[in-house]
Amino acid sequence: EVQLVQSGAEVKKPGESLKISCKGSGYSFTSYWIGWVRQMPGKGLEWMGIIYPGDSDTRYSPSFQGQVTISADKSISTAYLQWSSLKASDTAMYYCARQLYSRAGGGYFQHWGQGTLVTVSS
Amino acid sequence: DIQMTQSPSSLSASVGDRVTITCQASQDISNYLNWYQQKPGKAPKLLIYDASNLETGVPSRFSGSGSGTDFTFTISSLQPEDIATYYCQQYDNLPMYTFGQGTKLEIK
Repeated sequence: EVQLVQSGAEVKKPGESLKISCKGSGYSFTSYWIGWVRQMPGKGLEWMGIIYPGDSDTRYSPSFQGQVTISADKSISTAYLQWSSLKASDTAMYYCARQLYSRAGGGYFQHWGQGTLVTVSS
Repeated sequence: DIQMTQSPSSLSASVGDRVTITCQASQDISNYLNWYQQKPGKAPKLLIYDASNLETGVPSRFSGSGSGTDFTFTISSLQPEDIATYYCQQYDNLPMYTFGQGTKLEIK
């Protein structure tokens, strides 16, 4: 069974750093792109970026380029999303999701993590 | 980058109604359009991929159509458990994605 298990909720102060995780199991972790999605309180879904754990090839949404870093450690089947200096506006739920390709070549997210709530407040 | 315009932003309908949501891309995306359902406090759930393919296990009252820039998502007969927010999502082969703004569906 494919599972993506995310790390627990975090409460941080502005300016602090943070790294949250997403551990994959039940499949070949290095063979599928893993994406990250932000959902601010009461708002919609925003695609942040995606990584291919096999070679760490990473793509970012222009809105998030330079604001976060996506990485992966294939030895422990885990993807990461990190901030070097958090802002109050980073308060949100963050989801990881595994990408699949259809026969037509389209990509979509079939499996999702449970989400990690990040709260940034002084 | 590709922009997605989803409408309406909210919708109220009665049980048994036919419900339609539209999504328009800022440029041709072929049929690379997915639809997700998100219930409060839960992760999104894939319903439709490649514009019209029903994900395994998803009830047949859900359907999608369209290609190019204009897409439609339909619930043929609204059920109480369909109350949720629905999102379209486009894919390009970089790979990069964009979500629509979402449609909050409520029971009248």
